[in-house]
Amino acid sequence: ILNVEQSPQSLHVQEGDSTNFTCSFPSSNFYALHWYRWETAKSPEALFVMTLNGDEKKKGRISATLNTKEGYSYLYIKGSQPEDSATYLCARISNFGNEKLTFGTGTRLTIIP
Amino acid sequence: DVKVTQSSRYLVKRTGEKVFLECVQDMDHENMFWYRQDPGLGLRLIYFSYDVKMKEKGDIPEGYSVSREKKERFSLILESASTNQTSMYLCASSQGLEATGELFFGEGSRLTVL
Repeated sequence: ILNVEQSPQSLHVQEGDSTNFTCSFPSSNFYALHWYRWETAKSPEALFVMTLNGDEKKKGRISATLNTKEGYSYLYIKGSQPEDSATYLCARISNFGNEKLTFGTGTRLTIIP
Repeated sequence: DVKVTQSSRYLVKRTGEKVFLECVQDMDHENMFWYRQDPGLGLRLIYFSYDVKMKEKGDIPEGYSVSREKKERFSLILESASTNQTSMYLCASSQGLEATGELFFGEGSRLTVL
């Protein structure tokens, strides 16, 4: 993996169902992985910042896991609600010390009521 | 409530015009960033700044310049706008990696160049 890749590009989920999507990234020189949620007409907001292999973070119905050795992170949403409709972005920072985040292209999630 | 404010939500400019996009943050953050977002390409870094009067090129700096005269303000300048600079521009700030490093974003400026 040379870049940060997210899959799927878009997703439609029935309200109440659970879902998950993937962020893949180069495993070498890893420093941190960020997840952001970007709702239409609003600013992107940070969900999680993860640094350690095996990290698992949770915020309400949303959780994320991190595998730095194989270069992937999963974002899970349990019991989807209409307010979860948004684009979910992941971004990786390398350990070169320059604090630049490289973003994936995002997963656009639509919750169907 | 922490805030990153971008001066204009929507702008329409003509090819060749000089365009200024202003960004102000009230969190005393060291780092500030300018990204552009285009469909299918994700957020791409144009320029960033670690400190007042310091700037570094991001991944796509061509056709842009920046100014950071005060800690709270980071301006993006399009010296001569072109149609391929039609995009959504996002400003962000962060405290840096010694903290969580998370970015705080403005609401974006949608620029159309005719």
